[in-house]
Amino acid sequence: EVVLTQSPGTLTLSPGERATLSCRASQPVKSNYLTWYQQKPGQAPRLLIFGASIRATGIPDRFSGSGSGTDFTLTISRLEPEDFAVYYCQHYQPSPLFGQGTRLEI
Amino acid sequence: QLQLHESGPGVVRPSETLSLTCSVSGGSTISNNYYWGWLRQPPGKGLEWIGTIFYGGSTDYNPSLQSRVAISLDSSKNQFSLNLTSVTAADTAVYYCARLEYSHLLFDHWGQGTPVTVSA
Repeated sequence: EVVLTQSPGTLTLSPGERATLSCRASQPVKSNYLTWYQQKPGQAPRLLIFGASIRATGIPDRFSGSGSGTDFTLTISRLEPEDFAVYYCQHYQPSPLFGQGTRLEI
Repeated sequence: QLQLHESGPGVVRPSETLSLTCSVSGGSTISNNYYWGWLRQPPGKGLEWIGTIFYGGSTDYNPSLQSRVAISLDSSKNQFSLNLTSVTAADTAVYYCARLEYSHLLFDHWGQGTPVTVSA
């Protein structure tokens, strides 16, 4: 069974900086099924990126995704105050599974 | 705009059955392109998939919960439901219902979540 490992566990940055979040799969996975979500306290997760690199509707272009095989990256080019949240990657092989999350904090 | 809303008791006693319902509005549960699912998030922890159901009735469950879980769908009411039997404190979590989009196998719409505490 595939395991998704996200790093770092916590990332401390300031507004205006660039954030790079990693999601590593224990074996090669299909990029078409690699998804990123953002979750703020007290809220449900929000779809950010699907197919490893496609922004969901309404997601600002400062968010980008890349990667293939076992290594995937979520990049936020210039952090805004509202971007500080927890980010999860998710795949579906053979059923939905999530990484443990990266907390992005100020 | 599609909306999902969870409802059910906020407290369940140990060994009893947790029952939740997800009401769907702004769209139909009858679709070839979507599944309907339940997920949960224990306090301070990450997301765990519980199971999904297709309108035709086929289901898929997390192996770790399979012996205790049942998901059903009532298309006439545009609702789907979760039953989790023999609950323990480890089942305390925020429970989410969500729509699973089939082409990319992602959860594109979520309910706001409902907290459930297992306690005597």
